[in-house]
Amino acid sequence: GAGVSQSPSNKVTEKGKDVELRCDPISGHTALYWYRQRLGQGLEFLIYFQGNSAPDKSGLPSDRFSAERTGESVSTLTIQRTQQEDSAVYLCASSWGGLARGNEQFFGPGTRLTVL
Amino acid sequence: LAKTTQPISMDSYEGQEVNITCSHNNIATNDYITWYQQFPSQGPRFIIQGYKTKVTNEVASLFIPADRKSSTLSLPRVSLSDTAVYYCLVGVGDNFNKFYFGSGTKLNVKP
Repeated sequence: GAGVSQSPSNKVTEKGKDVELRCDPISGHTALYWYRQRLGQGLEFLIYFQGNSAPDKSGLPSDRFSAERTGESVSTLTIQRTQQEDSAVYLCASSWGGLARGNEQFFGPGTRLTVL
Repeated sequence: LAKTTQPISMDSYEGQEVNITCSHNNIATNDYITWYQQFPSQGPRFIIQGYKTKVTNEVASLFIPADRKSSTLSLPRVSLSDTAVYYCLVGVGDNFNKFYFGSGTKLNVKP
Protein backbone atom coordinates (compact mmCIF):
# COMPACT_ATOMS: atom_id res chain seq x y z
CA GLY A 1 0.00 0.00 0.00
CA ALA A 2 0.92 3.65 -0.17
CA GLY A 3 3.34 5.00 2.38
CA VAL A 4 3.52 8.39 4.04
CA SER A 5 3.72 11.17 1.49
CA GLN A 6 4.84 14.75 1.97
CA SER A 7 4.59 17.80 -0.23
CA PRO A 8 6.33 19.71 -1.53
CA SER A 9 9.54 17.70 -1.63
CA ASN A 10 11.53 20.90 -1.81
CA LYS A 11 10.61 24.45 -0.91
CA VAL A 12 12.74 27.54 -1.33
CA THR A 13 11.34 30.70 0.18
CA GLU A 14 12.43 34.17 1.14
CA LYS A 15 12.92 35.25 4.72
CA GLY A 16 9.69 36.59 6.17
CA LYS A 17 7.35 34.57 3.96
CA ASP A 18 4.92 31.96 5.27
CA VAL A 19 5.15 28.32 4.21
CA GLU A 20 2.82 25.38 4.53
CA LEU A 21 4.04 21.80 4.56
CA ARG A 22 1.69 18.90 3.99
CA CYS A 23 1.72 15.32 5.22
CA ASP A 24 -0.55 12.50 4.09
CA PRO A 25 -0.22 9.59 6.52
CA ILE A 26 -0.86 5.94 5.84
CA SER A 27 -4.60 5.34 5.73
CA GLY A 28 -5.94 4.20 9.10
CA HIS A 29 -2.99 5.42 11.14
CA THR A 30 -4.32 7.35 14.11
CA ALA A 31 -1.04 8.87 15.23
CA LEU A 32 0.97 11.44 13.28
CA TYR A 33 4.31 13.04 14.11
CA TRP A 34 6.34 15.98 12.84
CA TYR A 35 10.12 16.20 13.20
CA ARG A 36 12.77 18.64 12.06
CA GLN A 37 16.24 17.61 10.96
CA ARG A 38 18.90 20.20 10.35
CA LEU A 39 21.78 19.35 8.05
CA GLY A 40 24.02 16.71 9.60
CA GLN A 41 22.03 16.57 12.83
CA GLY A 42 19.58 14.25 14.51
CA LEU A 43 15.80 14.40 14.56
CA GLU A 44 14.10 17.06 16.65
CA PHE A 45 10.58 16.18 17.74
CA LEU A 46 8.06 18.95 17.03
CA ILE A 47 4.53 17.70 17.66
CA TYR A 48 2.40 14.57 17.87
CA PHE A 49 -1.26 14.09 16.95
CA GLN A 50 -3.52 11.38 18.29
CA GLY A 51 -6.49 11.62 15.96
CA ASN A 52 -6.96 15.32 15.32
CA SER A 53 -5.68 16.41 18.72
CA ALA A 54 -2.18 17.47 19.70
CA PRO A 55 -1.95 16.98 23.49
CA ASP A 56 1.28 18.93 23.86
CA LYS A 57 2.53 21.66 21.55
CA SER A 58 5.53 22.68 23.61
CA GLY A 59 7.91 20.98 21.17
CA LEU A 60 7.18 23.57 18.50
CA PRO A 61 10.25 25.87 18.31
CA SER A 62 8.37 29.17 18.46
CA ASP A 63 4.93 30.73 18.08
CA ARG A 64 5.66 31.09 14.36
CA PHE A 65 5.10 27.34 14.06
CA SER A 66 1.66 25.79 14.08
CA ALA A 67 0.22 22.46 13.02
CA GLU A 68 -3.18 20.99 12.49
CA ARG A 69 -4.71 17.73 11.45
CA THR A 70 -8.15 17.17 10.01
CA GLY A 71 -10.29 14.10 9.40
CA GLU A 72 -7.71 12.02 11.25
CA SER A 73 -5.79 12.18 8.01
CA VAL A 74 -3.84 14.98 6.39
CA SER A 75 -1.75 17.32 8.52
CA THR A 76 -0.22 20.69 7.73
CA LEU A 77 2.73 22.33 9.42
CA THR A 78 2.74 26.08 8.94
CA ILE A 79 5.72 28.32 9.53
CA GLN A 80 4.99 32.03 9.57
CA ARG A 81 7.55 34.76 8.88
CA THR A 82 10.23 32.21 8.05
CA GLN A 83 13.77 32.76 9.26
CA GLN A 84 17.01 31.34 7.92
CA GLU A 85 17.32 29.11 10.99
CA ASP A 86 14.13 27.36 9.89
CA SER A 87 16.03 25.81 6.99
CA ALA A 88 15.91 22.04 7.51
CA VAL A 89 14.24 18.85 6.37
CA TYR A 90 10.81 18.46 7.93
CA LEU A 91 9.84 14.83 8.38
CA CYS A 92 6.39 13.43 9.00
CA ALA A 93 5.63 9.97 10.35
CA SER A 94 2.51 8.02 11.19
CA SER A 95 1.69 4.93 13.23
CA TRP A 96 -1.31 2.79 14.15
CA GLY A 97 -1.32 4.19 17.66
CA GLY A 98 0.81 6.25 19.97
CA LEU A 99 4.35 5.30 20.82
CA ALA A 100 3.34 4.32 24.34
CA ARG A 101 1.69 1.29 22.80
CA GLY A 102 4.92 0.38 21.09
CA ASN A 103 3.87 1.17 17.55
CA GLU A 104 6.30 1.51 14.68
CA GLN A 105 6.52 4.91 13.03
CA PHE A 106 6.54 5.02 9.24
CA PHE A 107 8.35 8.04 7.88
CA GLY A 108 7.75 10.07 4.76
CA PRO A 109 10.57 11.30 2.50
CA GLY A 110 10.54 14.75 4.06
CA THR A 111 10.26 18.32 2.80
CA ARG A 112 13.52 20.17 2.37
CA LEU A 113 12.93 23.83 3.31
CA THR A 114 15.47 26.46 2.37
CA VAL A 115 14.98 30.00 3.60
CA LEU A 116 17.05 32.56 1.71
CA LEU B 1 18.35 18.44 27.78
CA ALA B 2 19.20 15.27 25.93
CA LYS B 3 17.10 12.29 26.90
CA THR B 4 19.21 9.67 25.15
CA THR B 5 22.92 9.35 24.55
CA GLN B 6 24.68 7.41 21.82
CA PRO B 7 28.23 7.34 20.44
CA ILE B 8 28.59 9.82 17.61
CA SER B 9 30.25 7.38 15.23
CA MET B 10 31.56 3.86 14.89
CA ASP B 11 33.70 2.09 12.32
CA SER B 12 33.47 -1.57 11.39
CA TYR B 13 34.44 -3.99 8.65
CA GLU B 14 32.25 -6.19 6.54
CA GLY B 15 31.24 -9.42 8.24
CA GLN B 16 31.79 -8.15 11.77
CA GLU B 17 29.21 -7.89 14.52
CA VAL B 18 28.41 -4.32 15.55
CA ASN B 19 26.93 -3.29 18.89
CA ILE B 20 25.58 0.22 19.41
CA THR B 21 24.52 1.26 22.90
CA CYS B 22 22.01 3.96 23.81
CA SER B 23 21.62 5.38 27.32
CA HIS B 24 18.15 6.50 28.42
CA ASN B 25 18.21 7.13 32.16
CA ASN B 26 14.82 8.89 32.17
CA ILE B 27 12.87 6.10 30.52
CA ALA B 28 9.32 5.79 31.86
CA THR B 29 7.64 2.61 32.94
CA ASN B 30 5.47 2.27 29.87
CA ASP B 31 8.01 3.39 27.29
CA TYR B 32 9.18 1.12 24.51
CA ILE B 33 12.65 1.38 23.01
CA THR B 34 12.81 1.56 19.25
CA TRP B 35 15.75 1.71 16.87
CA TYR B 36 15.69 3.30 13.44
CA GLN B 37 18.10 3.37 10.51
CA GLN B 38 18.50 6.40 8.27
CA PHE B 39 20.27 6.63 4.93
CA PRO B 40 21.19 10.03 3.43
CA SER B 41 18.25 11.97 1.99
CA GLN B 42 15.72 9.43 3.29
CA GLY B 43 13.39 9.26 6.26
CA PRO B 44 14.28 6.87 9.10
CA ARG B 45 13.25 3.23 8.81
CA PHE B 46 12.21 0.96 11.66
CA ILE B 47 14.70 -1.75 12.64
CA ILE B 48 13.58 -3.27 15.92
CA GLN B 49 11.61 -2.55 19.07
CA GLY B 50 11.57 -3.96 22.59
CA TYR B 51 10.47 -3.40 26.16
CA LYS B 52 12.81 -5.60 28.19
CA THR B 53 15.29 -8.50 27.94
CA LYS B 54 16.06 -9.54 24.36
CA VAL B 55 14.29 -9.19 21.05
CA THR B 56 15.51 -10.63 17.76
CA ASN B 57 14.25 -10.26 14.21
CA GLU B 58 15.66 -11.04 10.81
CA VAL B 59 18.06 -8.07 10.76
CA ALA B 60 19.07 -7.30 14.34
CA SER B 61 18.88 -8.09 18.04
CA LEU B 62 18.05 -5.71 20.86
CA PHE B 63 19.36 -6.26 24.37
CA ILE B 64 17.74 -4.40 27.27
CA PRO B 65 18.99 -4.86 30.85
CA ALA B 66 16.63 -5.22 33.78
CA ASP B 67 16.84 -1.53 34.80
CA ARG B 68 16.04 -0.50 31.18
CA LYS B 69 18.32 2.54 31.45
CA SER B 70 20.20 1.50 28.34
CA SER B 71 19.77 -0.68 25.30
CA THR B 72 22.13 -2.24 22.78
CA LEU B 73 21.42 -2.76 19.12
CA SER B 74 23.35 -5.68 17.68
CA LEU B 75 23.86 -6.08 13.94
CA PRO B 76 25.20 -9.62 13.41
CA ARG B 77 27.27 -9.46 10.22
CA VAL B 78 27.36 -6.02 8.71
CA SER B 79 27.79 -5.26 5.04
CA LEU B 80 28.66 -2.05 3.21
CA SER B 81 24.94 -1.34 2.79
CA ASP B 82 24.58 -1.08 6.57
CA THR B 83 26.50 2.20 6.49
CA ALA B 84 23.92 4.61 7.89
CA VAL B 85 22.93 6.58 10.96
CA TYR B 86 21.23 4.58 13.72
CA TYR B 87 18.88 6.25 16.20
CA CYS B 88 17.29 4.99 19.37
CA LEU B 89 13.91 6.40 20.36
CA VAL B 90 12.11 6.29 23.67
CA GLY B 91 8.88 7.94 24.66
CA VAL B 92 9.47 10.54 27.39
CA GLY B 93 6.95 12.34 29.51
CA ASP B 94 4.15 11.41 31.83
CA ASN B 95 1.61 11.59 29.06
CA PHE B 96 3.84 10.01 26.41
CA ASN B 97 3.43 13.12 24.29
CA LYS B 98 7.06 13.78 23.55
CA PHE B 99 9.45 11.51 21.74
CA TYR B 100 13.18 11.93 21.71
CA PHE B 101 15.52 10.45 19.19
CA GLY B 102 19.10 10.04 20.23
CA SER B 103 21.72 12.11 18.46
CA GLY B 104 22.32 9.11 16.27
CA THR B 105 25.35 6.93 15.67
CA LYS B 106 27.00 7.13 12.26
CA LEU B 107 28.11 3.61 11.40
CA ASN B 108 30.76 3.39 8.71
CA VAL B 109 31.29 -0.12 7.35
CA LYS B 110 34.54 -0.61 5.49
CA PRO B 111 35.38 -3.34 2.95
